[in-house]
Amino acid sequence: DAGITQSPRHKVTETGTPVTLRCHQTENHRYMYWYRQDPGHGLRLIHYSYGVKDTDKGEVSDGYSVSRSKTEDFLLTLESATSSQTSVYFCAAGGDRFEAKNIQYFGAGTRLSVL
Amino acid sequence: RKEVEQDPGPFNVPEGATVAFNCTYSNSASQSFFWYRQDCRKEPKLLMSVYSSGNEDGRFTAQLNRASQYISLLIRDSKLSDSATYLCVPDTGRRALTFGSGTRLQVQP
Repeated sequence: DAGITQSPRHKVTETGTPVTLRCHQTENHRYMYWYRQDPGHGLRLIHYSYGVKDTDKGEVSDGYSVSRSKTEDFLLTLESATSSQTSVYFCAAGGDRFEAKNIQYFGAGTRLSVL
Repeated sequence: RKEVEQDPGPFNVPEGATVAFNCTYSNSASQSFFWYRQDCRKEPKLLMSVYSSGNEDGRFTAQLNRASQYISLLIRDSKLSDSATYLCVPDTGRRALTFGSGTRLQVQP
């Protein structure tokens, strides 16, 4: 058990509504990540965090924002959901790379459908 | 050129077979590598880390060829439970990792 919990696990919403996905970790990892996975694209990084209140953009960050107010929680917000944001969202967490292991551990995923 | 390239497969092999996948990477600064496996509709899980020329863990062997910039994963004596998608992940030293799209393996009885 990697100690990473995502909520909700499934969500159906309508275009134009705001959506927040939550990721909670219990292992005190410094780094946390949000990915989306779509057929034919593999895992694509949306945003990541390298500490409390420290975040940076990934390759597909448009339309998404994140916040990390505590080490254990990393929130992903879709300000105004669009159908193109229908996807499976994975949260991951990992240790400081200077600990010699830049390994990421994943949550079980959130399936989001935007109608 | 993509940062990570993998043959998407699927590789269909019978139980007991030996199968190998290759993964090519473009960033020569990659110092270490990871192989993850992802079952259908599940999260990726770490299978193996590679910090030098290779690594072996039971039926699984990873071999790194830095000169040609590829890493391979060899699975011996395939089991039905090995059916999954295998993701190659080079660690280039940046904060974020880049995941390959994966190679799908289907082991058949």
